Amino acid sequence: DGGITQSPKYLFRKEGQNVTLSCEQNLNHDAMYWYRQDPGQGLRLIYYSQIVNDFQKGDIAEGYSVSREKKESFPLTVTSAQKNPTAFYLCASTKIGVWTEAFFGQGTRLTVV
Amino acid sequence: ILNVEQSPQSLHVQEGDSTNFTCSFPSSNFYALHWYRWETAKSPEALFVMTLNGDEKKKGRISATLNTKEGYSYLYIKGSQPEDSATYLCAFDNAGNMLTFGGGTRLMVKP
Repeated sequence: DGGITQSPKYLFRKEGQNVTLSCEQNLNHDAMYWYRQDPGQGLRLIYYSQIVNDFQKGDIAEGYSVSREKKESFPLTVTSAQKNPTAFYLCASTKIGVWTEAFFGQGTRLTVV
Repeated sequence: ILNVEQSPQSLHVQEGDSTNFTCSFPSSNFYALHWYRWETAKSPEALFVMTLNGDEKKKGRISATLNTKEGYSYLYIKGSQPEDSATYLCAFDNAGNMLTFGGGTRLMVKP
C-alpha cells in the first residue's frame, strides 16, 4: 500500500544535540512538507520541497535543516540552534499541478530532556 | 506569512446538533482550499479540495462552501455524531503549491 512513513514515533533529545526525523513516501509525489504543531496551535510550515535537490523555507525554518536527495525522502534535522524543539512534527506530500489532497505521516513527537 | 484563520478554536455540541466552522484565507494567489479531518492518534485525512468560487461539496453529513473573492470557506456538519469529534483543519494552497494551514477547529460531540 502506498503511503508516508515517519520515524521514529517518539524521540527524546538532550539539549545541544542534533536529531534527524525521517519521512519516506512511496506515492510518487513531487512535493513534500514538514510541519510543526505545538499544544493548542495549528500546523506551522517549517520547510517544503517541490523537486529533488531543491527546498524552500516555511514560516518557522530557523533552527531546522532539510535535504531532498531522493524524491521519496525528505528528512528533517532539528539542530541545537532550535531554541524550543519540543513539539509534534508532521510530514506531508502532494502531487504538483493537480488539485489533489495532501497525505500525511503519523507524526513524530520530539521531547528535549 | 500567509494568514489563514479558523473559528471557533473549539466547539462542544450535543449529538444531533448541526454545526459549522469558518476558514478565512487570502483572496489573492488562490489555487485551492483544502479541508482535513484529524482524529486523535491518527493522521489528518482529506475531506475536500475546493478550487472554484461558489463551489459546494458534500460527503455524507459534511459539506463545505467556498468564496474565493472574499476569502472564506464554511464547513457544515449536519446531525453531529460522537464519531465526528476531531480537529478540522483548512489549508490554503497558493499558486506556489505551498500549503498553509489554519489553527484548526476542535469539535467535541457529546452523546
